Amino acid sequence: DAMVIQNPRYQVTQFGKPVTLSCSQTLNHNVMYWYQQKSSQAPKLLFHYYDKDFNNEADTPDNFQSRRPNTSFCFLDIRSPGLGDAAMYLCATAPNGGEETQYFGPGTRLLVL
Amino acid sequence: GENVEQHPSTLSVQEGDSAVIKCTYSDSASNYFPWYKQELGKGPQLIIDIRSNVGEKKDQRIAVTLNKTAKHFSLHITETQPEDSAVYFCAAHTGGFKTIFGAGTRLFVKA
Repeated sequence: DAMVIQNPRYQVTQFGKPVTLSCSQTLNHNVMYWYQQKSSQAPKLLFHYYDKDFNNEADTPDNFQSRRPNTSFCFLDIRSPGLGDAAMYLCATAPNGGEETQYFGPGTRLLVL
Repeated sequence: GENVEQHPSTLSVQEGDSAVIKCTYSDSASNYFPWYKQELGKGPQLIIDIRSNVGEKKDQRIAVTLNKTAKHFSLHITETQPEDSAVYFCAAHTGGFKTIFGAGTRLFVKA
């Protein structure tokens, strides 16, 4: 089945230690999104790629970076995680963005010690 | 900025009863309104969506209504079942690639 896969499902890191979360898709969608979701809150868009074009939300901290080496994979890098970065990180895809369904992965829950 | 408000934050119903979740949005240019269901430990999954040229859409036990003038849209679940228990998010597409999500409604269906 075509799907959005996120690894790992749970990630524990130390305060200030860089961490990378990964997302892959078999849907061949052009757009990939990264969202941060804190407990009992709505998903908050961090950035998205349309193909290789990267688009950062204005309020996304500089601490968060992303890479998309090819259509299938997208990575979220947190350079120096703080306690406030503990959250669920959701990856989503869409065929072309805009007024379309987004297909979410199961998420990676990040714990910062 | 753009905003989507969602109510209630928690909803508890008896199995077989109906559940209604209401949302309002601020950007009058929004034209696409999806609803997502998020079960514990999983990512959100689309359950129904509506576009601004339609006032109502139904899919089996789920229906969504849209009032563009008032900038309101609602999710209706009839004959609720325990497996409907989850967090439901409304959302509004505000243009470009951005979708704004409501804060979510935690629905409990009691057997």
